[in-house]
Amino acid sequence: EVEVVESGGGLVQPGGSLRLSCAASGFVLSDYYIDWVRQAPGKGVEWVACKRNKANEDTAEYAASVKGRVFISRDESRNSLFLQMNNLKIEDTAVYYCARMSKGGGSYDWYSDLWGRGTLVTVTS
Amino acid sequence: DFQLTQSPSFLSASVGDRVTITCRASQDISNYLAWYHQEPGKAPKLLIYAASTLQTGVPSRFSGSGSGTEFTLTISGLQAEDFATYYCQKLDRYPLTFGGGTRVEIK
Repeated sequence: EVEVVESGGGLVQPGGSLRLSCAASGFVLSDYYIDWVRQAPGKGVEWVACKRNKANEDTAEYAASVKGRVFISRDESRNSLFLQMNNLKIEDTAVYYCARMSKGGGSYDWYSDLWGRGTLVTVTS
Repeated sequence: DFQLTQSPSFLSASVGDRVTITCRASQDISNYLAWYHQEPGKAPKLLIYAASTLQTGVPSRFSGSGSGTEFTLTISGLQAEDFATYYCQKLDRYPLTFGGGTRVEIK
C-alpha cells in the first residue's frame, strides 16, 4: 500500500525540541518532494517546510514562521523523512502532516496527492 | 507579502445546491493552484490541480477555473459527503501558501 505515516508528536515545554518522522511505504521517498503542513487546533492549514528530491539538489525550504528553528533530513535506508523542531513555541502547537508532492505532465501540474494522518505536537508549560 | 484570500470563509447550503468558492492571489500565480477538501479530524484531500484539472477519482461535480489572480471552485449538486472545509494552495514558488479555508455546512 502506498502511504506515509507520521510519528513523534507529543507534549513538550516551550523552548524544547522534538523530532517528527514521516515513514513512506509503497514508493521511494527520495524520488519526491515532501512537504510538512501543520494545522493548529480549530485553524486552517499552514505550509511549514519542503524537502526537494535528490534529482533537484536535495535542498529544503522553510516557512518564515519556523525558519532557523526547524530542519529537515532524510534517511534513505529507512525510506523516512524527519522534521527536527527546536526552540518550540506555544504557537507551534498543531497537527503536523507529511504530504507527498507529485508532478504531472503539464507545467502547472504540482500537487500534494498523498497525505498522512498527522501527528499532534502540543507545546505547553 | 503574498496572500491567498478565500471567500466566503463560511457558507451554508443544501444537498443539491451549486456552490462556488473563490480564491484570490495577491500576485499572478498563472495556473499554479490546487484545491483540497478536509473533513473534520482527517487530512486534506486533493480535488483539483493546475487550477482546473480534476484529480483521478474525484467526482465530476467538482470543477475549477481561473488563472492569474482569481480562481473558483464549483460544486454542482452538493452531496452529503461534500460538507467539509475547502482550501486553495498556490504552488508556483515557495512558500506554498494556503488560503484561509471555506467551511461548507448543511443549511
